[in-house]
Amino acid sequence: DAKTTQPNSMESNEEEPVHLPCNHSTISGTDYIHWYRQLPSQGPEYVIHGLTSNVNNRMASLAIAEDRKSSTLILHRATLRDAAVYYCILLREELNFGKGTSLLVTP
Amino acid sequence: EAQVTQNPRYLITVTGKKLTVTCSQNMNHEYMSWYRQDPGLGLRQIYYSMNVEATDKGDVPEGYKVSRKEKRNFPLILESPSPNQTSLYFCASSLSSRGQTEAFFGQGTRLTVV
Repeated sequence: DAKTTQPNSMESNEEEPVHLPCNHSTISGTDYIHWYRQLPSQGPEYVIHGLTSNVNNRMASLAIAEDRKSSTLILHRATLRDAAVYYCILLREELNFGKGTSLLVTP
Repeated sequence: EAQVTQNPRYLITVTGKKLTVTCSQNMNHEYMSWYRQDPGLGLRQIYYSMNVEATDKGDVPEGYKVSRKEKRNFPLILESPSPNQTSLYFCASSLSSRGQTEAFFGQGTRLTVV
């Protein structure tokens, strides 16, 4: 399975943008890049996904490098409710969760 | 509302007493799966199902059984639970197993085996 590398933790101030990086140098052409997040005491929640082009939705933006070996999840204005563990996953057939990035948002 | 429903949310049981955790989805999804989450180990897939009557082992299937007799339901069965199966369990579903679709997760079942 293709692997992803994310920082263990990141910190952001409330109402500021957050850029969560993910490296996936062994990505194959058919792997979709998915992001999920898990808030405390809840199940994982879908955030966004993409294949080659940058993607935007109501929750976030996904910027994918031209060579697809890395991507960045962008939260445009972090709120306290965005504090969660964020998982970057290469999806071919099943979701393989790594350790993710624990995002701390401070007021 | 589109959702994945697990029951029960919390369960304390004794070693060896058979139990079933139910999972139901209302989105007509083909693909369903079960995960367990343990501190320091993250989320690990137990079993998955590509469609009705099609199930397969994930990364940690030992001690678990599943069935998929109808599309909406995917129960997780522990025939003889042991303390090492104490964990937080999540059920998930998606339209397909392909990368184009998002997965929906249940709220989790916290199981304690004493």
